[in-house]
Amino acid sequence: GAVVSQHPSRVICKSGTSVKIECRSLDFQATTMFWYRQFPKQSLMLMATSNEGSKATYEQGVEKDKFLINHASLTLSTLTVTSAHPEDSSFYICSTFHPGRADTEAFFGQGTRLTVV
Amino acid sequence: AQSVTQPDIHITVSEGASLELRCNYSYGATPYLFWYVQSPGQGLQLLLKYFSGDTLVQGIKGFEAEFKRSQSSFNLRKPSVHWSDAAEYFCAVGPTGTASKLTFGTGTRLQVTL
Repeated sequence: GAVVSQHPSRVICKSGTSVKIECRSLDFQATTMFWYRQFPKQSLMLMATSNEGSKATYEQGVEKDKFLINHASLTLSTLTVTSAHPEDSSFYICSTFHPGRADTEAFFGQGTRLTVV
Repeated sequence: AQSVTQPDIHITVSEGASLELRCNYSYGATPYLFWYVQSPGQGLQLLLKYFSGDTLVQGIKGFEAEFKRSQSSFNLRKPSVHWSDAAEYFCAVGPTGTASKLTFGTGTRLQVTL
């Protein structure tokens, strides 16, 4: 079964509104979550790394005030796209790894297809 | 900085034919290498990975990949493709010692004709 559950799988929102995407680790406590974004016909690009109980680390070019990441518990990380615009339409996906086993495998959520109209 | 190149954006093969998807990487040390598959609307599923040891690695669904250090390549192969293999395939590289913070290639979309 799924190790990481991401919700919602699809969301359509109006420009200017905010959308929250949840990523839950089902089988273990995830101290670190990674958030990726995938534009159509392009690869996944790492947006940010969230660590439980501390501020997220954003990759260069990613607006931290627009993409708010919260990792308040060991099983839940959220990504909120604030004041969404059509150019934010993308496929967002989270991943994590088993604590102490970062050298093995990253587990990915099912992804969220965001469409901003 | 590490990078991954997948030269083929789109490949079409007949069912039952063999398959090879190319992947070249750039990394200063010995990387961790991965192949993931993404079906439409779905997340990523790990096919196989290479960390060290035997350079020919076996994965799920009958896939294998060979790490060639001299060519900086990690090509994915399957002897006989099934229609259900149609999907997007991503090669990824991670820093030595971690499978977490990955750099992905642009992906290869595989179409299988019957």
